[in-house]
Amino acid sequence: AQSVTQLGSHVSVSEGALVLLRCNYSSSVPPYLFWYVQYPNQGLQLLLKYTSAATLVKGINGFEAEFKKSETSFHLTKPSAHMRDAAEYFCAVSDRNQGGKLIFGQGTELSVKP
Amino acid sequence: ETGVTQTPRHLVMGMTNKKSLKCEQHLGHNAMYWYKQSAKKPLELMFVYNFKEQTENNSVPSRFSPECPNSSHLFLHLHTLQPEDSALYLCASSQLDAGDGYTFGSGTRLTVV
Repeated sequence: AQSVTQLGSHVSVSEGALVLLRCNYSSSVPPYLFWYVQYPNQGLQLLLKYTSAATLVKGINGFEAEFKKSETSFHLTKPSAHMRDAAEYFCAVSDRNQGGKLIFGQGTELSVKP
Repeated sequence: ETGVTQTPRHLVMGMTNKKSLKCEQHLGHNAMYWYKQSAKKPLELMFVYNFKEQTENNSVPSRFSPECPNSSHLFLHLHTLQPEDSALYLCASSQLDAGDGYTFGSGTRLTVV
């Protein structure tokens, strides 16, 4: 069965610093992978997705993620953090053996210090 | 309206009340989902509906009763809730293979008093 592990439940960076949120997955078939962002008291918003095309995926708000099959990773990065990036981030893998149901990670809360 | 709409956005109810949460999607999706999100806890998948048929119930207490009259509408009927049921309830929809991921609503913040 597919699973997702997000390393670090909380990450803190300074404004302007690199953002790196880690996600590792396990899957017996080529996966679809997603990153979502959640602002307080809001639903989850899709940041970007990997569906077996280019391994480097660009998303909204300057975020990108790289699919590395050898490392079973899909880490999310942004070169320069903004205060508005403070939110909860979720990585998800599509369980294509179960009709594409998404399996979510535990989430990583990103704090941005001025 | 576009996307996934949830109403109400906020709900306060007593333990003896009966209330319903509503979710509506205008995306032509065939699958709909209810999630519970409690503070400091992971997302909990509650129910899955495909073509308005329930395909998954993750051991949810019977005080939560879902209803899916068609592929565009999903309800969560609540009765005799407990304070620990206070949470953000999220609805989502997708195509059946979820290749484009899920589209989430903004959620209903439920407080049980």
